[in-house]
Amino acid sequence: EPEVTQTPSHQVTQMGQEVILRCVPISNHLYFYWYRQILGQKVEFLVSFYNNEISEKSEIFDDQFSVERPDGSNFTLKIRSTKLEDSAMYFCASSVNGVGGTDTQYFGPGTRLTVL
Amino acid sequence: KQEVTQIPAALSVPEGENLVLNCSFTDSAIYNLQWFRQDPGKGLTSLLLIQSSQREQTSGRLNASLDKSSGRSTLYIAASQPGDSATYLCAVHTGGFKTIFGAGTRLFVKA
Repeated sequence: EPEVTQTPSHQVTQMGQEVILRCVPISNHLYFYWYRQILGQKVEFLVSFYNNEISEKSEIFDDQFSVERPDGSNFTLKIRSTKLEDSAMYFCASSVNGVGGTDTQYFGPGTRLTVL
Repeated sequence: KQEVTQIPAALSVPEGENLVLNCSFTDSAIYNLQWFRQDPGKGLTSLLLIQSSQREQTSGRLNASLDKSSGRSTLYIAASQPGDSATYLCAVHTGGFKTIFGAGTRLFVKA
């Protein structure tokens, strides 16, 4: 069964450094998402991406964050200057159609980001 | 602003018991509601998706109901098994591309 993959599984970085989290969505999916989950807290929506542009973003997704689909398979989340509070599990998801219909989102296993 | 609440936060039951997990949401204007399962160190797996026009969905031993007007959903798990031990998340979609999650119910099924 097709699945969403994410790399790396765990990333440790120093405060102020840039990180790029990578995701390979399911190949025929058109909508892509990033979520984060701070330890012990709710899963929070960050951004959705469709047709090579951001379709929606949350208030969390400020200028420090950016997303890109650099080629036909990868979907990346970049954090320009990491802060301690960026430490979280980051999940990538994809869907054939946008949320709100009958389609579900398929989630990757997550990347645990630790900012020291 | 949509808020999703799940009760209880944690639940421990003996194997074979039937159980109900609860989810409530503050804004009844939803497009759909989903129940996910989250295992430690792994991503989220969709269990059931209920459209706003539907009252329930069933998959195997799982049954999810939706009462949109009262802002409630329940996930019923029949004949629980140790393999059902996980965190169960409720999530709603109220428009746009955003999905809003509850904090989850951590379930432990004892053998």
